[in-house]
Amino acid sequence: AQRVTQPEKLLSVFKGAPVELKCNYSYSGSPELFWYVQYSRQRLQLLLRHISRESIKGFTADLNKGETSFHLKKPFAQEEDSAMYYCALLPGAGGSYIPTFGRGTSLIVHP
Amino acid sequence: EAGVAQSPRYKIIEKRQSVAFWCNPISGHATLYWYQQILGQGPKLLIQFQNNGVVDDSQLPKDRFSAERLKGVDSTLKIQPAKLEDSAVYLCASRRSGNTEAFFGQGTRLTVV
Repeated sequence: AQRVTQPEKLLSVFKGAPVELKCNYSYSGSPELFWYVQYSRQRLQLLLRHISRESIKGFTADLNKGETSFHLKKPFAQEEDSAMYYCALLPGAGGSYIPTFGRGTSLIVHP
Repeated sequence: EAGVAQSPRYKIIEKRQSVAFWCNPISGHATLYWYQQILGQGPKLLIQFQNNGVVDDSQLPKDRFSAERLKGVDSTLKIQPAKLEDSAVYLCASRRSGNTEAFFGQGTRLTVV
């Protein structure tokens, strides 16, 4: 069975500080990993996925298969980054196309 | 393109009453998901449709929950009768075949009193 763990419910930082939101997963195959974000009063939306290897809004995430982690990082947090962040896993080839989500981490960036 | 539409946005009902939620996915998206998100938790899958067929409903409490997608487009999720623990946000999401990104609706916030 697949599982996604986000150990922090809340992460509070000051503007300009580095941010790292942790995500660990368990899955026997090679999954696809995502970060979704939900800003206040908005719908859940995709932030980035590991296969794209891109930086979105200054955020990056590297898949570490040895540690089964997919931590989200940003070197300098901005107030507009305040939101709920959810890590999600999609089973690899041959698996179901059912995304499994972590419980989410609330990021608060103070001015 | 228009996003996933859900209605109503909010619903308050008494326990043992019935309630229905509606979802209109993005045009052309064959896959549709219903998720339940209880406060403080991540979204939990209830059911997945591929066109009008059920792919996975293993986590759907079938004694009280039902869902359908008769024409392979809109979908309805029903709870009958509702319990206090059903209070949650019900999210609908859709996905285009060949793409792994799921697009979410705004959700329906259900409060059972």
